[in-house]
Amino acid sequence: DAGITQSPRHKVTETGTPVTLRCHQTENHRYMYWYRQDPGHGLRLIHYSYGVKDTDKGEVSDGYSVSRSKTEDFLLTLESATSSQTSVYFCAVRAGGDTQYFGPGTRLTVL
Amino acid sequence: DQQVKQNSPSLSVQEGRISILNCDYTNSMFDYFLWYKKYPAEGPTFLISISSIKDKNEDGRFTVFLNKSAKHLSLHIVPSQPGDSAVYFCAASANSGGSNYKLTFGKGTLLTVNP
Repeated sequence: DAGITQSPRHKVTETGTPVTLRCHQTENHRYMYWYRQDPGHGLRLIHYSYGVKDTDKGEVSDGYSVSRSKTEDFLLTLESATSSQTSVYFCAVRAGGDTQYFGPGTRLTVL
Repeated sequence: DQQVKQNSPSLSVQEGRISILNCDYTNSMFDYFLWYKKYPAEGPTFLISISSIKDKNEDGRFTVFLNKSAKHLSLHIVPSQPGDSAVYFCAASANSGGSNYKLTFGKGTLLTVNP
């Protein structure tokens, strides 16, 4: 599982509140990624990081920000959550070659 | 514009038979392809991959075939088992162009293997 944990695993919040999801890895991988999974859309890249303090946008980055102040943690923040951000969020790391390994996911519900 | 397409949302096969999952892509820059399996309430797990310099890669019951001229790949599972029932995602990357190993995913195919 490439030593990836995500927290929280489940969260229910209200529209307009800020939310931060955490991805933690224990194997010193340089590249980390945040995806969301929605029915009919597969997995879509939100943001990614190619090193400490080095991040860039993915396909669906509007409404999200990220931070990576140390190698092991990659944080995804929804500044003001909306119902369209109700989804399952997965963190992944690149662990050699082009292969990514995924965490267990966070199910977020925005009411 | 969807660059990786899995046109079959679902597939049902009998235990012991072959399962064939298909994937098409449009971006000629893709040079590495992967298949992931996902069970409900779990993260996707890596299954098998293939580089564009090959046309086949095999790992136990799983074989991936790549047809570059047709921009098509397929995953064969033989023999299929009930535990193979899951959603299968096709993914592609274009790292010869320095894309930071980003993956583009298809929408997935739900495979159901009936006992």
